[in-house]
Amino acid sequence: SQELEQSPQSLIVQEGKNLTINCTSSKTLYGLYWYKQKYGEGLIFLMMLQKGGEEKSHEKITAKLDEKKQQSSLHITASQPSHAGIYLCGADMGSDYKLSFGAGTTVTVRA
Amino acid sequence: NAGVTQTPKFQVLKTGQSMTLQCAQDMNHEYMSWYRQDPGMGLRLIHYSVGAGITDQGEVPNGYNVSRSTTEDFPLRLLSAAPSQTSVYFCASSWGSGTSTDTQYFGPGTRLTVL
Repeated sequence: SQELEQSPQSLIVQEGKNLTINCTSSKTLYGLYWYKQKYGEGLIFLMMLQKGGEEKSHEKITAKLDEKKQQSSLHITASQPSHAGIYLCGADMGSDYKLSFGAGTTVTVRA
Repeated sequence: NAGVTQTPKFQVLKTGQSMTLQCAQDMNHEYMSWYRQDPGMGLRLIHYSVGAGITDQGEVPNGYNVSRSTTEDFPLRLLSAAPSQTSVYFCASSWGSGTSTDTQYFGPGTRLTVL
């Protein structure tokens, strides 16, 4: 079973609409990373969160880490075709030198 | 900077064949790692290295060997390929341990099919 659960597994959104992806753990997250992956390509770093309640934004993407540091959400406002891809969360759960990853969320943006 | 580079991009092997996946980085990062990505399972750590001459196992090391003779290079060797090793392989590097305080940079991946 995944140490990090991502939901939904996939979603289709109309261009211009908002979307939210969740990443949940039963353990404390000491560092939470969001990556984006396009098919056939590597992972592109989006954001890192460390503190409970922390929120970061970059362009139209906002990520939050809850106060308990066990759940993070990624929110995209007014989605565009360029937002399509696979979003993965990765987390430091206290094991040295190891990041655990969620299974990913596939985002499709329809024009 | 080229960042993290991986070769080849695609590879098809027959069961029992051996091969080496290459990974190089030009950022002088101490930490390098290999992951495999399988549908529905996210990324799983195969092996990692915290510096030249030092390697250790991740969560799925069986069937793979690594070595780190230089800071720049971290090749992954498949000793006797099996169909279960069909996957996409990613190499990553970072300044430090690759966890809470260090962002990992990923290569473009190698798609391996074992027949």
